[in-house]
This record gives sequence, C-alpha cells and structure tokens, in this order.
Amino acid sequence: GAGVSQSPSNKVTEKGKDVELRCDPISGHTALYWYRQSLGQGLEFLIYFQGNSAPDKSGLPSDRFSAERTGGSVSTLTIQRTQQEDSAVYLCASSPDINQPQHFGDGTRLSIL
Amino acid sequence: RKEVEQDPGPFNVPEGATVAFNCTYSNSASQSFFWYRQDCRKEPKLLMSVYSSGNEDGRFTAQLNRASQYISLLIRDSKLSDSATYLCVVKDSNYQLIWGAGTKLIIKP
Repeated sequence: GAGVSQSPSNKVTEKGKDVELRCDPISGHTALYWYRQSLGQGLEFLIYFQGNSAPDKSGLPSDRFSAERTGGSVSTLTIQRTQQEDSAVYLCASSPDINQPQHFGDGTRLSIL
Repeated sequence: RKEVEQDPGPFNVPEGATVAFNCTYSNSASQSFFWYRQDCRKEPKLLMSVYSSGNEDGRFTAQLNRASQYISLLIRDSKLSDSATYLCVVKDSNYQLIWGAGTKLIIKP
C-alpha cells in the first residue's frame, strides 16, 4: 500500500531563499510529524499535528520555520530565508493516532549553499 | 544531560555473535519505548516496541528497566544485514517522541 510520500527528495538552494517541503501522509492517519536529521545526529522533533487540534510547534528552531496541514491530510513545511545550518534531511512521519508507532517517508535532503 | 542517551559506537561484531546495547532516558514519567533501525541515508524504520515485561521478535529481544531507566536491545546470531544504526525512542508524558542519536552496528564476515 501507499506509504508516507515526501517531495522533493532532494533540494539544493541558495542561502536566503525560501523552501517548501511537502508531506503526504498515509490515508486515514490523523497524526503527522516533522523531524530533521543532521549528519550523524538523531532526529530532532520540529512540529506535530493531531487531527484538527492546534499543532505542537514546540520544536521549531526559529520563526523562519512554519508548517501547515490542510484538510487534515497533506502538510507543508516552509523555511524562510534559509541559512546553511538548515541543511539536513527533513523527515515526515504519520501514525493512526498518537499512541501508534510512526511510519516515515523517505525524507527530503535539503542543502543550502 | 541529554534526555535519551546511547553509546554512538560503532560496535564491530563478527557474524553470528550476540550483541547488546543499552539506551538510558532521564524522564521517569516516560510512557512508551521503541527501537528503530536506520540504514545509511535512509529513513528510520520501526524495529520493535519495548514492553514492560520484555519482548522478543525472532533474533531480537528488547527489555525495559524502569528502576534504572534504561532499555536494551539484544541481537542473537547476528547477520551481515543487521549492520545499521539503532535508534532508541522514548515517548514522554506529553506524547512527544524523544530520539537518541543512535548506536552504529557493523557486522563483519
């Protein structure tokens, strides 16, 4: 069956540009998570959506980062005025609810020049 | 102190051997525990949940020690394909997942 889909798989952009990363969760999964993983590091939690509740934004590193989840399905993570330290793999995961294990997408590898 | 700590390794282990590694967590109110496996440049995949009584899945055994606040993963009869990074994940009382940085395992022929 279809898993979590992320696009693009790779993104290279210049410092200062804005980027949008997309996540299409597994159909019917109410919980959606964004993480980033820097080289050799564990996953850093960014933001979490559960159904129609207000998202948990506690992990967003700065106000340059924002995320939306439209219609309880597709989510977009936006990074404005990118910096070199934003370079990382951005992973999206979804789960049927917050008590279930998460299923991950393949990630978007973001490189800021 | 990190909330979830793992020995980064690498653990270099001959094929067929048994290997075990631990993960310690700082929040005694943590609710759920998982081991994920991550291959190089790939996304993490759930290996197994960790139950209070300990649980086994084939060659893999996971255990939880709440008193000492650690979980463990034991791999028996290791295969070359077990080479990966093993990530410890703890779900806290706010349902947020806290990830360890992973333990790298290399199985040698």
